[in-house]
Amino acid sequence: DGGITQSPKYLFRKEGQNVTLSCEQNLNHDAMYWYRQDPGQGLRLIYYSQIVNDFQKGDIAEGYSVSREKKESFPLTVTSAQKNPTAFYLCASKPGGYGEKLFFGSGTQLSVL
Amino acid sequence: GENVEQHPSTLSVQEGDSAVIKCTYSDSASNYFPWYKQELGKRPQLIIDIRSNVGEKKDQRIAVTLNKTAKHFSLHITETQPEDSAVYFCAARPMNYGGSQGNLIFGKGTKLSVKP
Repeated sequence: DGGITQSPKYLFRKEGQNVTLSCEQNLNHDAMYWYRQDPGQGLRLIYYSQIVNDFQKGDIAEGYSVSREKKESFPLTVTSAQKNPTAFYLCASKPGGYGEKLFFGSGTQLSVL
Repeated sequence: GENVEQHPSTLSVQEGDSAVIKCTYSDSASNYFPWYKQELGKRPQLIIDIRSNVGEKKDQRIAVTLNKTAKHFSLHITETQPEDSAVYFCAARPMNYGGSQGNLIFGKGTKLSVKP
């Protein structure tokens, strides 16, 4: 579980500002995910990537963007188009193929100033 | 779209009692059902999982049961302890959600409080 590192732990965004959340893993996992967690809403999938240089939208991708230039890294940018960004963001990874167990990072709490 | 419903949203039990959390899923072809535990301020961690070809699985005080006909599965915790207090999430993996990797759909979580 310690193989996924998210930073920063807390992040504040101003109106109209884009912010980027970092996610790095050293587990050699092919697949990486970003989830948004709101109180009482469970985990909702924002974006996922099954392989380097490829990613797909999840259920709530609007206002977010990602990149996957390296296997180890899957940063998430929360753009100014995301009007309600305050949430706890979790990054996760799992082995390629049909690997099942998700390994989560420790999360980033994003708040709007 | 695919959906997983989880009940109850909050559950309070006395130490030593049992706790049961139930989930229903919409895609009858779902084939994998994990349960994650998230302690306050920490990351979710897998505590037990079950595949669609198995009806029940146990790991010490924790068990999961699956009823494919009714499309529901449940988490059972016996002899609860204060350290069991956390938010528990169920999830299901539908057949055609997330391409070849098979993504999970999560329930909204159950906050379990175990009173000493």
